[in-house]
Parts: sequence; C-alpha cells; structure tokens
Amino acid sequence: DSGVTQTPKHLITATGQRVTLRCSPRSGDLSVYWYQQSLDQGLQFLIQYYNGEERAKGNILERFSAQQFPDLHSELNLSSLELGDSALYFCASSVGRDGAEAFFGQGTRLTVV
Amino acid sequence: GQQLNQSPQSMFIQEGEDVSMNCTSSSIFNTWLWYKQDPGEGPVLLIALYKAGELTSNGRLTAQFGITRKDSFLNISASIPSDVGIYFCAGRRYGGATNKLIFGTGTLLAVQP
Repeated sequence: DSGVTQTPKHLITATGQRVTLRCSPRSGDLSVYWYQQSLDQGLQFLIQYYNGEERAKGNILERFSAQQFPDLHSELNLSSLELGDSALYFCASSVGRDGAEAFFGQGTRLTVV
Repeated sequence: GQQLNQSPQSMFIQEGEDVSMNCTSSSIFNTWLWYKQDPGEGPVLLIALYKAGELTSNGRLTAQFGITRKDSFLNISASIPSDVGIYFCAGRRYGGATNKLIFGTGTLLAVQP
C-alpha cells in the first residue's frame, strides 16, 4: 500500500459527460501529480500541484482541469468526454515540490462508452 | 507524448534466471527511477538513482545510472514468479517550465516456474 488513495476505482460513463476523480496523497506529501496511462501512449504526465498551487503542466487537454484543496487532496475533472479518454488515471504524491520519488495510487479506470 | 526507449519490450524466462533491461534517452536526466506495475495496480517504486555512475541495489534488484546520464539499467537476479509484471523506467530533468517524470515504454516480464 503506497498510502495514496484514489476513488473511484472504476468509472463507466457516456461520451459528452463530465466526471471527477479524487486523490488523497500520502500523509505529509505536499505534491500531487496526475498521470494518464493508455495502451498507445503509455504513462503521460498531466499536471502537478504543490501545496494548493499549480506547479507544472504536461499533456493535459483543455477539457481537463484539476485542483488541490487546503487539506491537500486533489480532484481531476474531465469534461466533454470522448471515447479516446478511456484510460487509467493515476495520482501520485511526493514530499517536496520537486520530489522525484513519487508514490502512485491504484488508479481509476475510466471507460467512456 | 514523450516516452523513453526501453528494451526489451518483453521477456519470457525461467524461474531462477537473471534478467537485464535498459532505458535510453536522447536527453540528459538528473534522476532515474525504476517502477514495477502489476495488472490493475499503480506503479510501485523499486529503485531511485540520483548520480551518474551510481549503482544501487534493492534485494535481488540492481540498477545503474549511466555515466552519460542518458541511460539506465535494471538487473534482476535469480528471478521468481512474483517478479512478473511490467517494469518502467522514468527519468527526470531540470530546466524549462516543467518538472516531471518521463516514463519508458515498459518491459513486460513473464517468469515460468
């Protein structure tokens, strides 16, 4: 158990819908990272938050957004969903702002039908 | 999205054999990490490397940070069935507006008892 908690574990939704994925980082970790894993693209970094502020942005679509709350949990919002958004979404956390040793949650498997 | 070149893509070995896999990049990295991912789970951090030439062990696993800073190697000795999974390398570099891990394409390891 990495200490990073993600909910829900599975999500099935229709195209055009909006979903919210939730992540609780390890106790004491201030950084939260979101990754998308698909068969053709592998693990792709989406966005990082550090202590409530956006720290770095990767390949995140404009339809996607995230935030980190004062209690340090984070949410990833995916809207206007398309079939191609079906993937595993992972949250990871680390202690520092630039921590390389990120610990991953078990992921949310999103299926868009 | 960007991915590091990881080889081999897959390996099918007998229990007790040693395993080697590597990861290469056209860019220099300051940190190399190795993760293992079991089906339906998130990546689990195995080894972290922070200095060129560094050799680090974690039980039967040994990883090295290449001298050129553009590659890394992972060796598993005396493999056992629970070593089955997908192994990912990840690199991190400083500079620019991003601070993120770039993952390799993964090596699928199958171990036959």
